[in-house]
Amino acid sequence: SFELTQPPSLSVSPGQTASVTCSGDKLRDTYACWYQQKPGESPLLVIYQDNKRPSGIPERFSGSNSGNTATLTISGTQAMDEADYYCQAWDSNVVAFGGGTKLTVL
Amino acid sequence: QVQLQESGPGLVKPSETLSLTCTVSAYSISSGYYWAWIRQAPGKGLEWIGSIYHSGNTYYNPSLESRLTMSVDTSKNQFSLKLKSVTAADTALYYCASKQTYYFDYWGQGTLVTVSS
Repeated sequence: SFELTQPPSLSVSPGQTASVTCSGDKLRDTYACWYQQKPGESPLLVIYQDNKRPSGIPERFSGSNSGNTATLTISGTQAMDEADYYCQAWDSNVVAFGGGTKLTVL
Repeated sequence: QVQLQESGPGLVKPSETLSLTCTVSAYSISSGYYWAWIRQAPGKGLEWIGSIYHSGNTYYNPSLESRLTMSVDTSKNQFSLKLKSVTAADTALYYCASKQTYYFDYWGQGTLVTVSS
């Protein structure tokens, strides 16, 4: 198995840019993806294969992966973006999730 | 789009076996895809449990592998999870999901399983 590390929390003001990081050695060799989870809801895929957005996900969500760090960027953060964000990667038929980052918009 | 629905007992006694089923709609399991179980303990993060291909090939979280069995029933368009010898640490919201190679694209709503006597 392998590990992915995220900061537990992040605060951002409305309209500003939020950058959520995810670090792990395996990220050098595989894709990262990101999920948004709001209270009482199932996780929602917002970025896959490092930087692709599923249909219906706003353009303000973007992703990158360089070296051993993947980053989810939310440009022009809105109050509705307040949620927990999880990174995830796959390697050799094993899946790992990051511990999650609670994004507060205030 | 693919829809998934978890079902099973909401309460399991310690040392017994937790059994859950995921029913898939709007997509035939036998057409492909991997299918997966993921859980989330109360107030905690996501934990991958395991994945199964429509052919029956399985991939398990090493930390759960010794207690885990996953299976697929293409005739019912369902896949299942059995986790034996459960303890309170297995209390969680259990999600089923469809899995592309690198990510989970569709998720069920989750079912809460509590391990308690």
